[in-house]
Amino acid sequence: DAKTTQPPSMDCAEGRAANLPCNHSTISGNEYVYWYRQIHSQGPQYIIHGLKNNETNEMASLIITEDRKSSTLILPHATLRDTAVYYCIVLIKAAGNKLTFGGGTRVLVKP
Amino acid sequence: KAGVTQTPRYLIKTRGQQVTLSCSPISGHRSVSWYQQTPGQGLQFLFEYFSETQRNKGNFPGRFSGRQFSNSRSEMNVSTLELGDSALYLCASTSTGSEGEAFFGQGTRLTVV
Repeated sequence: DAKTTQPPSMDCAEGRAANLPCNHSTISGNEYVYWYRQIHSQGPQYIIHGLKNNETNEMASLIITEDRKSSTLILPHATLRDTAVYYCIVLIKAAGNKLTFGGGTRVLVKP
Repeated sequence: KAGVTQTPRYLIKTRGQQVTLSCSPISGHRSVSWYQQTPGQGLQFLFEYFSETQRNKGNFPGRFSGRQFSNSRSEMNVSTLELGDSALYLCASTSTGSEGEAFFGQGTRLTVV
């Protein structure tokens, strides 16, 4: 699986959009980009995933660059409950469900 | 729909003992994966079971083992416990399908003393 690089931490103001970058420059054509988050001491929670196209769901939007070497997770209106560690993972689904977690980005939403 | 259930939630064991952790996946999910989370190493993949067969394996010693039953419930076992095995052990279940996301349980907090 391709490796990902994320900033270790970032702050965000409550009510503002949070933009979380992820670099996956060695991604291959059949690897999906998945985002999970982990709120303190809980199990990780799925947020969104995509292959080539931008995706949006009730939680977030995922913007993938045309060359697929990087992506951005957007939390449109951050709340205090969005404070968590966010993980960007690339995965070949056909090979199974082995998620390789990096260090993630620790997001602190401030009032 | 019930979520992923892990038991027990907390466990204290002594060095040298063995431990068995249990995971009941979401109904209909056939893939169960296990992860270890420690402050120093972060979240690390242990192994994945699919239809009672180990499909993927992480880089852990043979003291860590697992199995999956016909109803998709899974257990993992750690033998000859070491202090460094103290961790949060997480189980994830995934539906069969090309893009299914993983659903995680709340984990079992194991403390080895």
